[in-house]
Amino acid sequence: AQSVTQPDIHITVSEGASLELRCNYSYGATPYLFWYVQSPGQGLQLLLKYFSGDTLVQGIKGFEAEFKRSQSSFNLRKPSVHWSDAAEYFCAVEGRGGSEKLVFGKGTKLTVNP
Amino acid sequence: GAVVSQHPSWVICKSGTSVKIECRSLDFQATTMFWYRQFPKQSLMLMATSNEGSKATYEQGVEKDKFLINHASLTLSTLTVTSAHPEDSSFYICSAWGQPGDGYTFGSGTRLTVV
Repeated sequence: AQSVTQPDIHITVSEGASLELRCNYSYGATPYLFWYVQSPGQGLQLLLKYFSGDTLVQGIKGFEAEFKRSQSSFNLRKPSVHWSDAAEYFCAVEGRGGSEKLVFGKGTKLTVNP
Repeated sequence: GAVVSQHPSWVICKSGTSVKIECRSLDFQATTMFWYRQFPKQSLMLMATSNEGSKATYEQGVEKDKFLINHASLTLSTLTVTSAHPEDSSFYICSAWGQPGDGYTFGSGTRLTVV
């Protein structure tokens, strides 16, 4: 069965510092990979996705993620964090077999200190 | 890009009453929509897959008679929480699969409080 692991429940960084949020997945083949962000009381906004091709994916708000097949990872990065980036971040995968079900990680809460 | 509109954004109801939540795809047709439930400080749990013109597919452990799903058109799916109880209080989010390559688009969620 598909599973997604986000090892860090909560991360705190200072504004302007770099950020990396980890995501590992378990799946028989390379799934579709997504990162979403959720502000309190809001729905989810898609930051970026990987379907195929270049393993370094650029997203919105200055985020990027790198797919590493050998490590079954899809870590999210941002070179300089802004206070408005404070939110919950979810990594998700979807199998390519047509099931169209997303499997989410448990999320990482990001706190940004001034 | 694809937009999913979800209403209401919050609702308070009395125990024993029913509540309907709407999920609309704007500017695109969604033959499949998804309903999630999110408990505080937790991830999203898929409740059911809503299929236009056919019965919804419920995840294991989700009561289909409790959570009624109707997907009567290509742009609208509704979730009705019947005979709501305080333990049904939660954040409900819908999503739809948009155009190929768009991935999933999520509604803004509905905060349900049952008193």
